[in-house]
Amino acid sequence: EAQVTQNPRYLITVTGKKLTVTCSQNMNHEYMSWYRQDPGLGLRQIYYSMNVEVTDKGDVPEGYKVSRKEKRNFPLILESPSPNQTSLYFCASSFGGEQPQHFGDGTRLSIL
Amino acid sequence: GQNIDQPTEMTATEGAIVQINCTYQTSGFNGLFWYQQHAGEAPTFLSYNVLDGLEEKGRFSSFLSRSKGYSYLLLKELQMKDSASYLCAVRGPGGYQKVTFGTGTKLQVIP
Repeated sequence: EAQVTQNPRYLITVTGKKLTVTCSQNMNHEYMSWYRQDPGLGLRQIYYSMNVEVTDKGDVPEGYKVSRKEKRNFPLILESPSPNQTSLYFCASSFGGEQPQHFGDGTRLSIL
Repeated sequence: GQNIDQPTEMTATEGAIVQINCTYQTSGFNGLFWYQQHAGEAPTFLSYNVLDGLEEKGRFSSFLSRSKGYSYLLLKELQMKDSASYLCAVRGPGGYQKVTFGTGTKLQVIP
């Protein structure tokens, strides 16, 4: 089954404790993105990647890191999480920029 | 930068037609997407417009006017399951995957 898999689905943690949210896709997509979704602000792009070892900043990259060492994986790293990063996070992938994005089921992060 | 505007909420009756508008102001434009998002779920793709005109796909149609910075999503024969948020997203400028979403329109379908 074609899918984008995120883990964990839910996480409650504390300020400053490094965490990684994994994202994996099995569709051989070149393009992958991370978004956060907050009430009243909609989906905002954090980082995107056009291929292995090629990443670029979206609209809200501060406080986040990504890497794309393999085509299928695109982890999101919060080196020192803060409460303002409490949000619902989505990973997405597509064959190309003009192709529809397939979204993972989301990761709800709470930073206390 | 990108600025995308959509109505926050709309209500429509089952069986009716509803039009959800999206206006955008961008420094570059490479296409416009519409996604549907049910509460608590991931967005799913509905349509993509890159040229002016109407794209029809079953009960859903999407229109684009690049000169006016305007798009709409038309939903016909509304069903209760169409109650969801509808997200307008503009691609570009910059890298192919630089996408900016509007805040979404929450549609409630009532009997």
